[in-house]
Amino acid sequence: EPEVTQTPSHQVTQMGQEVILRCVPISNHLYFYWYRQILGQKVEFLVSFYNNEISEKSEIFDDQFSVERPDGSNFTLKIRSTKLEDSAMYFCASSPGQAYGYTFGSGTRLTVV
Amino acid sequence: GENVEQHPSTLSVQEGDSAVIKCTYSDSASNYFPWYKQELGKRPQLIIDIRSNVGEKKDQRIAVTLNKTAKHFSLHITETQPEDSAVYFCALLNYGGSQGNLIFGKGTKLSVKP
Repeated sequence: EPEVTQTPSHQVTQMGQEVILRCVPISNHLYFYWYRQILGQKVEFLVSFYNNEISEKSEIFDDQFSVERPDGSNFTLKIRSTKLEDSAMYFCASSPGQAYGYTFGSGTRLTVV
Repeated sequence: GENVEQHPSTLSVQEGDSAVIKCTYSDSASNYFPWYKQELGKRPQLIIDIRSNVGEKKDQRIAVTLNKTAKHFSLHITETQPEDSAVYFCALLNYGGSQGNLIFGKGTKLSVKP
């Protein structure tokens, strides 16, 4: 069964540093997403991406965040100047179209110290 | 923006009993309602979904019902087993923008006692 893969599985970074989280969506999917889940809380929408541009973003996705699809397979989330409250599990997801279930990656646990 | 309320936050049942989790929403434009299961430390996994043109869908021990008039949808798990223990999230497609994205409920932690 096709999978969404994310790297790294765990990232520890100093406050103020930049991190890049990487994702490889399922190859024939057209819609890509980033979600975050603070420990013990719900899954929160960050951003959606379609046709090489951002479709929607939440209030959480401020100027500190950016996404990119640098080539035909990777989809990255960059967090500039990380803060302690950015510590969370970040999930990438992809779907073949609207109104279809998302397939989530296994997540990157980001710890900001 | 759209919000989805999920109840209960925790649910404990005996093995073999049924479990029901309910979600309510406010935006009548929502037309897709998936349910995800998340085991500890793992990714959310889609277990069942329903679209607004049907009122009920069943897959073995799992069923989902949708009442568009009342704006609520529910997950039903029958003959629960210990491996059903997990956090379950309802979600809906929110058309706040042009594309739509899934908005999740706060989750229900289901514990099935052997």
